[in-house]
Amino acid sequence: QVQLQQWGAGLLKPSETLSLTCAVYGGSFTDYYWSWIRQPPGKGLEWIGEINHSGNTIYNPSLKSRVTISVDTPKNQFSLKLTSVTAADTAVYYCAKDRVGAIDAFDIWGLGTLVTVSS
Amino acid sequence: EIVLTQSPGTLSLSPGERATLSCRASQTINNNYLAWYQQKPGQAPRLLIYGVSIRATGIPERFSGSGSGTDFTLTIRRLEPGDLAVYYCQQYGSLLPLTFGGGTKVEIK
Repeated sequence: QVQLQQWGAGLLKPSETLSLTCAVYGGSFTDYYWSWIRQPPGKGLEWIGEINHSGNTIYNPSLKSRVTISVDTPKNQFSLKLTSVTAADTAVYYCAKDRVGAIDAFDIWGLGTLVTVSS
Repeated sequence: EIVLTQSPGTLSLSPGERATLSCRASQTINNNYLAWYQQKPGQAPRLLIYGVSIRATGIPERFSGSGSGTDFTLTIRRLEPGDLAVYYCQQYGSLLPLTFGGGTKVEIK
């Protein structure tokens, strides 16, 4: 059974870079795509992007200019960087596993990390 | 971008009743690439349904999905207190970006 454990800084100042990492336990890291999704407090879900073990990435066009998703396959980890954050980037950030292929439903989720952007 | 509109915003029902949640897409969703999630307070979303009507692993038969094209429905039969949650639809495998609906909150009287 795949489990996801995520971590990263929870409090940032405007213009800083958000950095989160998600570790994958159990299952086959190389068989799937791995995604980042965020949820502002009290609001809905927004897909940020995804990556596979080879480093192939697919990004949400609305965030593409500020987002980098990277992978460390030997460690079964993938990471998110979001530059030039503002208060609008305050959200719970989730890592998730794509169910079968790329651009898929998400069948396993991390617990989420609340990232607050405030001066 | 495919915009998903969910209705109603809030549904308040009694235990044992049936909940019918709607998700309407701004464009046809091809290949039945429509999923539903349940998000309980303080938790991450959980996949309920994918491919419009296929229940994910461990999801009770009380949850069912239907629809095609631009109109989709999640039905929850015999509501239980534990079904209190926000339910989201999501389209995938089609036009980027992947998008979610705004959610329907199910309240249990």
